[in-house]
Amino acid sequence: KAGVTQTPRYLIKTRGQQVTLSCSPISGHRSVSWYQQTPGQGLQFLFEYFSETQRNKGNFPGRFSGRQFSNSRSEMNVSTLELGDSALYLCASRSGLSTDTQYFGPGTRLTVL
Amino acid sequence: EDQVTQSPEALRLQEGESSSLNCSYTVSGLRGLFWYRQDPGKGPEFLFTLYSAGEEKEKERLKATLTKKESFLHITAPKPEDSATYLCAVQYGGSQGNLIFGKGTKLSVKP
Repeated sequence: KAGVTQTPRYLIKTRGQQVTLSCSPISGHRSVSWYQQTPGQGLQFLFEYFSETQRNKGNFPGRFSGRQFSNSRSEMNVSTLELGDSALYLCASRSGLSTDTQYFGPGTRLTVL
Repeated sequence: EDQVTQSPEALRLQEGESSSLNCSYTVSGLRGLFWYRQDPGKGPEFLFTLYSAGEEKEKERLKATLTKKESFLHITAPKPEDSATYLCAVQYGGSQGNLIFGKGTKLSVKP
């Protein structure tokens, strides 16, 4: 079974731009969660989508948004990029139940200049 | 206040030198405690899930245990390929099913 895939793997943007990241979950998984990982804060939860609906949201500003499509693929968008948004953005999928194990993709490394 | 604390932050071992990593948590209503391994530039790789105090799980040289306040990841006779950052995460009633991560322990095993 193929794992979680994320595209692109690396991205360089400048302040004020916006960016869209993509995540394809493991086949059959209906839940997709997004996390931000930085050296200072570690891994922090952004939001979770299940069956095209946002189920949970972390403590991030409204510049961070996401969506999920009918095939469970998910996209994350960050508008008006700031230097502090530079991070590894990780996507994780699980079958759907909140107690299921989350499996992570390789991440997208975003650098904001 | 940190809800999940991992110690030590970094650990250097000689090949074959067994040790333990600690993950303490302060949340109530624990639903699950998860261990992941992360190599540089990669996403976390799932290792174990523990659900209740007293539970133990093993995989090759790794053994995870859980008490009411903490979890240990024991590494027996480590090899250089065990070098990685080990992350602990909890899921509890207030997290709505999502994971709250510790900052990780960076393990280096020298040959």
